[in-house]
Amino acid sequence: QVQLQESGPGLVKPSETLSLTCSVFGASVSSKDYYWTWIRQSPQKGLEWIAYVYHTGSADYNPSLKTRVTISIDTSKNQFSLKLTSVTARDTAVYYCARVGNNGDYVWFDPWGQGTLVTVSS
Amino acid sequence: DVQMTQSPPSLSASIGDRVSITCRASENIARYVNWYQQRPGKAPRLLIYGATSLHTGVPSRFSGSGSGRDFILTISSLQREDFAAYFCQQSHSVPLAFGPGTRLDV
Repeated sequence: QVQLQESGPGLVKPSETLSLTCSVFGASVSSKDYYWTWIRQSPQKGLEWIAYVYHTGSADYNPSLKTRVTISIDTSKNQFSLKLTSVTARDTAVYYCARVGNNGDYVWFDPWGQGTLVTVSS
Repeated sequence: DVQMTQSPPSLSASIGDRVSITCRASENIARYVNWYQQRPGKAPRLLIYGATSLHTGVPSRFSGSGSGRDFILTISSLQREDFAAYFCQQSHSVPLAFGPGTRLDV
């Protein structure tokens, strides 16, 4: 059974950098069959896709966040990570990591981690 | 960017009811729609992918239909554990985007 677990600070100060890591269990982030992704959820913006990364390090980003976001992958630790710079209160959200599944035609997010609440506040 | 809307925003129903939730895309996205269920305090869970395909382990009372711009998630006979929020998501193009959700209440 594949499981994902987010970790990182629950409180970040405005203008600083939010850093989160997703640890993957029961699957390898080195797999050629999957991408890995970050999604966040807030009452104001709902569910928002942030970025995804492939085992090669190739990535794609939501244009609305692209200038502030970096997604990376560490195959030696079976983890992938998110960095979001210059955070404001609008970045307060529950952050989820997930695997991007596909069948050659369609892609989807499954499974998801349990989520981690990140609050931006001084 | 493809935008997703959902209706209704909330829905009251009873055990055993048949309910449908609608999702509309801002442009033609063929069948590139997924549906997720989210129970309070939990992460979303995949129900349907490719508009109509039931994900492994999802009860057969859930079904999806539609193509182009209009999509429907149907629950044929509501069970207690189905009272949750439901989200559609387009996988046609980046940025991948979700609908605002439909909350299903007793």
